Amino acid sequence: LAKTTQPISMDSYEGQEVNITCSHNNIATNDYITWYQQFPSQGPRFIIQGYKTKVTNEVASLFIPADRKSSTLSLPRVSLSDTAVYYCLVGPMDSSYKLIFGSGTRLLVRP
Amino acid sequence: GAGVSQSPSNKVTEKGKDVELRCDPISGHTALYWYRQSLGQGLEFLIYFQGNSAPDKSGLPSDRFSAERTGGSVSTLTIQRTQQEDSAVYLCASSPDYMSTDTQYFGPGTRLTVL
Repeated sequence: LAKTTQPISMDSYEGQEVNITCSHNNIATNDYITWYQQFPSQGPRFIIQGYKTKVTNEVASLFIPADRKSSTLSLPRVSLSDTAVYYCLVGPMDSSYKLIFGSGTRLLVRP
Repeated sequence: GAGVSQSPSNKVTEKGKDVELRCDPISGHTALYWYRQSLGQGLEFLIYFQGNSAPDKSGLPSDRFSAERTGGSVSTLTIQRTQQEDSAVYLCASSPDYMSTDTQYFGPGTRLTVL
């Protein structure tokens, strides 16, 4: 399973766009990239998933360059409620039941 | 519909006692997962069920840990002779199947404190 590297923490202010980059240099051809969000005292929640190029949903966008060795989660106009830990996961599409969660990125949104 | 539920939400026990943690997955989800999260840390995979069988138990920290799933639904994680290092939040998740493209839906967790 591909190892991921993310910043330990990030600070932002309300209304700003936040970009969190994850490195996964040894990503395999059949690996997907998935991001989860975890609020204090709650279980993680799925945000977005992609394989290549760009994926957008109502919560975030995921940018994946052509070499797929990194990915960037983009949160538009963050609010205080976006303060959470964000996890980047990489795993094969056919049998990746064993999601490997790293330490994640702690995002703090200030007023 | 109802999400994944776990019980109890909090459990305080004494070292050496056995504990049982329960997980009720989303109805119809065939895959069920147990994770452990220590304070300020990421999630640690423990075990995965596909239906009632557990193809991968490799994440269980020791033979004091066991889990079962009956009727393809409820799962119980049992920790025997608890130790202080077992203190953590135990999270359960379920998904429609075991593919990585299937979103895992997490429960709120059980916070276990071993005194």
